[in-house]
Amino acid sequence: EAQVTQNPRYLITVTGKKLTVTCSQNMNHEYMSWYRQDPGLGLRQIYYSMNVEVTDKGDVPEGYKVSRKEKRNFPLILESPSPNQTSLYFCASSLSASSYNEQFFGPGTRLTVL
Amino acid sequence: AQKVTQAQTEISVVEKEDVTLDCVYETRDTTYYLFWYKQPPSGELVFLIRRNSFDEQNEISGRYSWNFQKSTSSFNFTITASQVVDSAVYFCALRPYAGGTSYGKLTFGQGTILTVHP
Repeated sequence: EAQVTQNPRYLITVTGKKLTVTCSQNMNHEYMSWYRQDPGLGLRQIYYSMNVEVTDKGDVPEGYKVSRKEKRNFPLILESPSPNQTSLYFCASSLSASSYNEQFFGPGTRLTVL
Repeated sequence: AQKVTQAQTEISVVEKEDVTLDCVYETRDTTYYLFWYKQPPSGELVFLIRRNSFDEQNEISGRYSWNFQKSTSSFNFTITASQVVDSAVYFCALRPYAGGTSYGKLTFGQGTILTVHP
């Protein structure tokens, strides 16, 4: 089944404790992206990747890192999480960055930073 | 820069009422795609429709219909005879065709919370 998976789905952590949210897709997609969803703000792009080893900042990259060593995986790293990073995170992938390609979304990761 | 505005933060209706969710967008691109997503209480994002900027034909899918008007930069979504299962957050989004720093990015509106009461 074609899908985007994220782990963990729920995470409660404390300020400053490094964490990684994994994202994996099995559709051989080139383009992958991370979004965060906050009430009243919709979803905002954090980072994106056009292909392996090609990543760039989105609208709200501060406090996050990403890597794209393999085509299927695009982990989101929070080196020193803070309470303002409490949010719902979505990973997405599409065949390419072209707009006609639908973006497939993962199930979301709800992160709470205390 | 791109922007998508969903001015209706919350809408509450009674079952079987028709409801329209508004979406207004701004972009300098001449070619782009517009999307609607549904987010039910379970939290996942469900793709509803994609429409390119050259196709202004309205679309109907069952109880759902979409009205795209390029002249007013609007892409409104109507649910006819609403049902309790339609209760969700609905997002409108825009993706440019190519080029620039927005390439590939989906720009989302703030979302509209729809509650359908029995």
